[in-house]
Amino acid sequence: GIQVEQSPPDLILQEGANSTLRCNFSDSVNNLQWFHQNPWGQLINLFYIPSGTKQNGRLSATTVATERYSLLYISSSQTTDSGVYFCAVTLYNFNKFYFGSGTKLNVKP
Amino acid sequence: GAVVSQHPSRVICKSGTSVKIECRSLDFQATTMFWYRQFPKQSLMLMATSNEGSKATYEQGVEKDKFLINHASLTLSTLTVTSAHPEDSSFYICSVQSSGTGNQPQHFGDGTRLSIL
Repeated sequence: GIQVEQSPPDLILQEGANSTLRCNFSDSVNNLQWFHQNPWGQLINLFYIPSGTKQNGRLSATTVATERYSLLYISSSQTTDSGVYFCAVTLYNFNKFYFGSGTKLNVKP
Repeated sequence: GAVVSQHPSRVICKSGTSVKIECRSLDFQATTMFWYRQFPKQSLMLMATSNEGSKATYEQGVEKDKFLINHASLTLSTLTVTSAHPEDSSFYICSVQSSGTGNQPQHFGDGTRLSIL
């Protein structure tokens, strides 16, 4: 099956700092989404981004499908950004998600 | 507002009990829903694909008789953990893919935290 790798696995930031999270995948995909899982387990949909670049406030994401990676940028981080960030992909002709292992972010005040 | 409603949010019960979890699509009809499981400090793993009006498709290693899935309507799928044991304790979460042509995003319920004593 497809391999989805996220880096770094853990990240500690001081409030106000910027960061970049990376998601590499081993096969062509037709869907890629970034999620934030909060301490209560809720998965918050951040971006639906199979290709191109999107921005939403302090967050932005870029997917380069031809090179099989996606990046999530967090600017001016806040303590509420803490949690685990997952990317998930689906393959062509299949609509089930394969999740990466996640990046655990801890933003300190 | 919420697109997917999952209930209950938390269950604590004794070993041997069967537990039913409901996943409702609120905004659109869903012929396909997905069930995932997440153990502590791990990623989400797909358990099965729930198909309206037909049998669910289970991933390798997931016991069909243990995790019963029913998708009797276009807005409701249920997962029943039969005769649950402590090793079944986990976070279970469902998802629904948006309707429409072409690629569509998936939306997740808030999950069910199952603890078997």
